[in-house]
Amino acid sequence: DTAVSQTPKYLVTQMGNDKSIKCEQNLGHDTMYWYKQDSKKFLKIMFSYNNKELIINETVPNRFSPKSPDKAHLNLHINSLELGDSAVYFCASSRGTGNNSPLHFGNGTRLTVT
Amino acid sequence: DQQVKQNSPSLSVQEGRISILNCDYTNSMFDYFLWYKKYPAEGPTFLISISSIKDKNEDGRFTVFLNKSAKHLSLHIVPSQPGDSAVYFCAASITGTASKLTFGTGTRLQVTL
Repeated sequence: DTAVSQTPKYLVTQMGNDKSIKCEQNLGHDTMYWYKQDSKKFLKIMFSYNNKELIINETVPNRFSPKSPDKAHLNLHINSLELGDSAVYFCASSRGTGNNSPLHFGNGTRLTVT
Repeated sequence: DQQVKQNSPSLSVQEGRISILNCDYTNSMFDYFLWYKKYPAEGPTFLISISSIKDKNEDGRFTVFLNKSAKHLSLHIVPSQPGDSAVYFCAASITGTASKLTFGTGTRLQVTL
């Protein structure tokens, strides 16, 4: 019973394609996130949703669109994939947005764009 | 602009000894700091945190020290165990910014027998 689960684990696709990564958490948390870990190992926040509302939107190209159909799900859709989108994408959730709410991460989705 | 830095990409320590992982930050607005541990093919898992009003927080074998004037924190693991071998990420946040964490690039700890 994985707390934060992402699918797929691996995604290999060609430039120009559109793809989605799904994330679900069964922890009853209110807040969910997408982080990107690039080739230099930087883990950077992309988006955050609290109770289905977007609260953090970092400088991310418009080709990336998060969707939160309910509190337990936060999906990431990427249009017109580019080589530079290759990275590991981590979904995470937390009980709230305060300091006493550490993030719980999924196991990541390794996206490779060829 | 790397606001959280972990200058040692790797560290090797013998089992039973102390592991010390270091982290420096540049943004003086950061007031909450966390350490995450990551095994291969898994996501980071929360280890320990410290607020800027403290200079030390301890949880079992793990202790985090914060030196605000030096903008430096460290994670001590004692005694180190083989299961501690992982990548350790330092992260920082500013209270009120909705848990937006800024991560360092990680230090790979290898605990040898």
